[in-house]
Amino acid sequence: SQTIHQWPATLVQPVGSPLSLECTVEGTSNPNLYWYRQAAGRGLQLLFYSVGIGQISSEVPQNLSASRPQDRQFILSSKKLLLSDSGFYLCADRTIETQYFGPGTRLLVL
Amino acid sequence: GENVEQHPSTLSVQEGDSAVIKCTYSDSASNYFPWYKQELGKRPQLIIDIRSNVGEKKDQRIAVTLNKTAKHFSLHITETQPEDSAVYFCAASYGGLSGGGADGLTFGKGTHLIIQP
Repeated sequence: SQTIHQWPATLVQPVGSPLSLECTVEGTSNPNLYWYRQAAGRGLQLLFYSVGIGQISSEVPQNLSASRPQDRQFILSSKKLLLSDSGFYLCADRTIETQYFGPGTRLLVL
Repeated sequence: GENVEQHPSTLSVQEGDSAVIKCTYSDSASNYFPWYKQELGKRPQLIIDIRSNVGEKKDQRIAVTLNKTAKHFSLHITETQPEDSAVYFCAASYGGLSGGGADGLTFGKGTHLIIQP
């Protein structure tokens, strides 16, 4: 069965600092990968998805970017964090139809 | 694109009673409808899903029904227990990994289910 790893689990960063969140997937190949953000008490906002190495699609304009350097690695980045970037960041993969979420990274921007 | 509406946003039921959460979708091409349960501070977990070739699916105390004509689907939880308290999300998508399926699931805004002892 597949496993999704995310790190770090929690992160506290000052406004204006850079960000790098990593997601890796085990037990599957050629997955579709997704980054979601969930603000406190809110729903799931799709940020980026990727169907393969180097292929990134953005769902919303923002100061975040994503990259997929390897088949099973998906990275979320920012050059300068905003207060509004605080939230719970979830990586997900989708094989056939079912979508599974990683454990998430809780980001607090101060 | 797809749009999913979910109701109610909060649902409080007595322990042992049933709970029903309803969702509607807009894209008639959608054919896959999963439900996720998210406990406080944790990731959403898939609890049940249904495909458009099926009208109902049941797994112990939970069941999902789908009405393709009306474009709505519902989650039913019977004999509710305290551990059922969580936020529940419905979602919809067109199946397959290329084309319409690659952009992932479209989620409802969630229902906070509270089980009163």
